[in-house]
Formats: sequence, structure tokens, C-alpha cells
Amino acid sequence: AQSVSQHNHHVILSEAASLELGCNYSYGGTVNLFWYVQYPGQHLQLLLKYFSGDPLVKGIKGFEAEFIKSKFSFNLRKPSVQWSDTAEYFCAPDPPPRGFNKFYFGSGTKLNVKP
Amino acid sequence: DTAVSQTPKYLVTQMGNDKSIKCEQNLGHDTMYWYKQDSKKFLKIMFSYNNKELIINETVPNRFSPKSPDKAHLNLHINSLELGDSAVYFCASSQDLARTETQYFGPGTRLLVL
Repeated sequence: AQSVSQHNHHVILSEAASLELGCNYSYGGTVNLFWYVQYPGQHLQLLLKYFSGDPLVKGIKGFEAEFIKSKFSFNLRKPSVQWSDTAEYFCAPDPPPRGFNKFYFGSGTKLNVKP
Repeated sequence: DTAVSQTPKYLVTQMGNDKSIKCEQNLGHDTMYWYKQDSKKFLKIMFSYNNKELIINETVPNRFSPKSPDKAHLNLHINSLELGDSAVYFCASSQDLARTETQYFGPGTRLLVL
């Protein structure tokens, strides 16, 4: 079945640690890829997105993600996390058909950064 | 200056009741969506409307009926509520249907069916 999976459900890090959150999808064709973040008590908001071109995408707040087509992966990274990065992170592929902006969200990864 | 707003924020009701959740966006977007987030945190699209017309209906029971009186509003009416309808419902909007458009989400409505 077509799906998206986020491997880590709950990650706990100390400040300044490096972060990598995994995301794998199983959709074929040209897939647009998004990461959304939900800070405690706030709305879901876009962190970064990939459509084409350079597979290493820079987002807000120092986040980046790398699209590896052969691995169907779009992992999220940050070299040094801060306490304010505590949030829930959702990977969201937007597979074809074209013309429909239809996301399939992963189950989310809850990140807790200890000060 | 809330971009996408939903009411109510919390909704607790009995099985069998009929309830509505309202969504409004002030971004001037053409496209609006309803998502359901289940207990495992998966966000699943339910409906998509573009310029008040239904575009996507993801095999949602017909007890769920979206209504879009205008481009800025997409309400969700649920008949004969069931226990399994308990979830968080998110409304979202985007400029248009293009797959490159960012979606902007509302704060969610927590529905609990007793």
C-alpha cells in the first residue's frame, strides 16, 4: 500500500545535539515533499518543501532536508537543536496525480529538547 | 489576525448527535481542505474544495457533509456521530490546487464522542 512512515515517534535530545528525523514514502512518480512542524499550542506550519532541483533543501530555523530518490526518503536534519525546537514534526509527501494538492501525512515525530 | 480559524476548539457530544465545525480563512485562498487526525497522529485528508466546488472526497462516510457557502468558508457537518469519529479535525487552505502550494492549517477542533 502507498504510505509514508516516520521511524521515530519520540526523540529526546539535549541542546546542541544534532538531529535527524527519518521519513520514507512509497509513492511512485514525481512526489513533492514537505515537512510541517507543530509547536506546542500552535498551528501546523510549513518548515520546508522540495519540488525539484537541488535535493538538499534549506528551510526555516536552520532546518534542512535531503531528498534521496533511490531510497524514497526525505530526512529532516538540524546540526544543533535548541530548546525552542521542541515540537511535533510531520513529513508530508504530495504524490501525483497532478492538479491535486493532497497530502499524506506521516504519524509525526515528537521532539523534546532538554535545556 | 488569524489566517485560518476553526470553531469550536473543543466539542464533546453524545453518540447519535449531529454537529458542525466551522472553518474560515482570511488569506484570499481558492482552495480549502478538511483533515482528520486519528489517535495514532496520522493526518488524513477528507475533503478538498476549490472555489466552492468539491474536488476531493477521500472515501469518507456520507454522514460527513462539507459545505462551502463561499471561498472563505468550509464547514463540516457530521450526522449521527459515532465513537470512531472522535479525533482532531484540521481545516487548511492554499492559494489554489497546484501541488506546489503551501497549505495553511487551522488550530484544530478536538471532537470527543461519548
